[in-house]
Amino acid sequence: GEDVEQSLFLSVREGDSSVINCTYTDSSSTYLYWYKQEPGAGLQLLTYIFSNMDMKQDQRLTVLLNKKDKHLSLRIADTQTGDSAIYFCALYKAAGNKLTFGGGTRVLVKP
Amino acid sequence: ETGVTQTPRHLVMGMTNKKSLKCEQHLGHNAMYWYKQSAKKPLELMFVYSLEERVENNSVPSRFSPECPNSSHLFLHLHTLQPEDSALYLCASSQEGSGITGNEQFFGPGTRLTVL
Repeated sequence: GEDVEQSLFLSVREGDSSVINCTYTDSSSTYLYWYKQEPGAGLQLLTYIFSNMDMKQDQRLTVLLNKKDKHLSLRIADTQTGDSAIYFCALYKAAGNKLTFGGGTRVLVKP
Repeated sequence: ETGVTQTPRHLVMGMTNKKSLKCEQHLGHNAMYWYKQSAKKPLELMFVYSLEERVENNSVPSRFSPECPNSSHLFLHLHTLQPEDSALYLCASSQEGSGITGNEQFFGPGTRLTVL
């Protein structure tokens, strides 16, 4: 089966950059997603990257994909207090039409 | 607002109760999902419905019973639950075969379930 790992916690100062990491074992995923979950809310899709891309930038968000190392990261520039949330990476495989989620990284932004 | 609504938002029930969770999507999607989110565990996919047919049942105990009467509505019927079933239950929907973003799933806010 698939294994998707994330570190549990990240603390960052307001204005600094945050980097959230995700490693996985199955390289056959076609799309890789980052979701954000604020307290008491469901998951909100932040961004995604196709498996044939190395990098994608979307305003303050930069996604890096290292297929050789099976490593996905999300960089948030100029982190704000509103960025405090749990961030999930998720991998999609067309076979089975299934998303596999990591355990989530709780990001705390300190003023 | 993601276009996916869930009711109730909070539910407390005893182990002998019967209750139902409701999910409605206003996005015209053709697939719907139930996930369970427990503390300190990854999101667990419970059920998948595609075109109103169940296509996935991840070894979920029979005390959870899904129902998908049409492509916009999804229910999760609960009976004789256990305290360890207390969790956040999330509903999601997607458009299968959309091509561009694969299985981009839109999530509802969840129902926080507490089983006493």
